[in-house]
Amino acid sequence: NAGVTQTPKFQVLKTGQSMTLQCAQDMNHNSMYWYRQDPGMGLRLIYYSASEGTTDKGEVPNGYNVSRLNKREFSLRLESAAPSQTSVYFCASSRTSGSSYEQYFGPGTRLTVT
Amino acid sequence: AQSVTQLDSQVPVFEEAPVELRCNYSSSVSVYLFWYVQYPNQGLQLLLKYLSGSTLVKGINGFEAEFNKSQTSFHLRKPSVHISDTAEYFCAVVQGAQKLVFGQGTRLTINP
Repeated sequence: NAGVTQTPKFQVLKTGQSMTLQCAQDMNHNSMYWYRQDPGMGLRLIYYSASEGTTDKGEVPNGYNVSRLNKREFSLRLESAAPSQTSVYFCASSRTSGSSYEQYFGPGTRLTVT
Repeated sequence: AQSVTQLDSQVPVFEEAPVELRCNYSSSVSVYLFWYVQYPNQGLQLLLKYLSGSTLVKGINGFEAEFNKSQTSFHLRKPSVHISDTAEYFCAVVQGAQKLVFGQGTRLTINP
């Protein structure tokens, strides 16, 4: 049981380049999330998917797009990277049934945009 | 909308001393609260959660937190810390549709 996996672990991009961050979970969770973590700002929600086939904007969606490929996979795309997108990105997943509310996190992707 | 404030950005303590990390949340009808821990270069893992019931919640690694509705607080405590507790700690509150809103984080540094 791998939990939540993310690829790549590290990435360096030049301004204007594009890339896709991959996330997969094997816990049969309905909901998946993308966060960014910046010093002193905690985790901020970029996009989330409450169930397969649906996606919604979070607090900081500008400059990002997402795809819920199937129940397991939720990808985050940067179409034209900017230095302000230098951050650590975390994917998470959770059940939507019952009252658990707990989110399980991946190990993160450290992205630097030069 | 729900919000969370962690009152200390950094907390240095000596090994084997007690520690309290403070968290205040904005008031709402129903509140579900969490503490997560992030060890260096890792993702977040759940320490403990309050959904309902007893206001004193026990978590992993000897941590506990007390839900105080009148003070809108959910402070995290440990009676005796170890070097291995060095990490960043995040308080979070559920906001509709199972979204979590996180505080800014508290960096706990344990000195020998």
